[in-house]
Amino acid sequence: GAVVSQHPSWVICKSGTSVKIECRSLDFQATTMFWYRQFPKQSLMLMATSNEGSKATYEQGVEKDKFLINHASLTLSTLTVTSAHPEDSSFYICSARTSGSVLDTQYFGPGTRLTVL
Amino acid sequence: DQQVKQNSPSLSVQEGRISILNCDYTNSMFDYFLWYKKYPAEGPTFLISISSIKDKNEDGRFTVFLNKSAKHLSLHIVPSQPGDSAVYFCAASGGTSYGKLTFGQGTILTVHP
Repeated sequence: GAVVSQHPSWVICKSGTSVKIECRSLDFQATTMFWYRQFPKQSLMLMATSNEGSKATYEQGVEKDKFLINHASLTLSTLTVTSAHPEDSSFYICSARTSGSVLDTQYFGPGTRLTVL
Repeated sequence: DQQVKQNSPSLSVQEGRISILNCDYTNSMFDYFLWYKKYPAEGPTFLISISSIKDKNEDGRFTVFLNKSAKHLSLHIVPSQPGDSAVYFCAASGGTSYGKLTFGQGTILTVHP
């Protein structure tokens, strides 16, 4: 099956620093990747849609200057949380769609636990 | 505005019996639905999907039923196994959110041996 990896799996950082999270599709090319965040005992909330070679599309209420997304290749997307603060602490999950069809299934990475002190 | 709702936060079932997880949606433009299984501190794992042109899709022990008039879908797991214990999310796509998934809140399934 389609495998998506994320790195790191967990990270602790000081307030004010920036953190980069990588999302890779290991055995397929992903024209579209998605970034979600999940707060404890809540659902996954879509943050942004990332298309290879173009700017990401952010959901309403998500600060694009704070959550920088880069999708430079068909197998890699990165999310950078800039000037992180404790309220940014969350579980960040990426997903990748296997082809250009919007009906194709999204396959998720294992997630990254971010804790900002 | 919660467009996809899973009204049961938890479900407890005996091993070997049927597990039925329910999901309701409000957006009539949704036309593609998926079920994911998730363990704590892990990403969701795809289980099964159904498009709006069907009312049933089956894959092994998992069957998803779609009732478009009621805007309701359900996931049946038969027979349930202890390894099925996890959080189950339903998700929907379509309309203005075409290609993007809107998730329900999740239902914690516990299958007792």
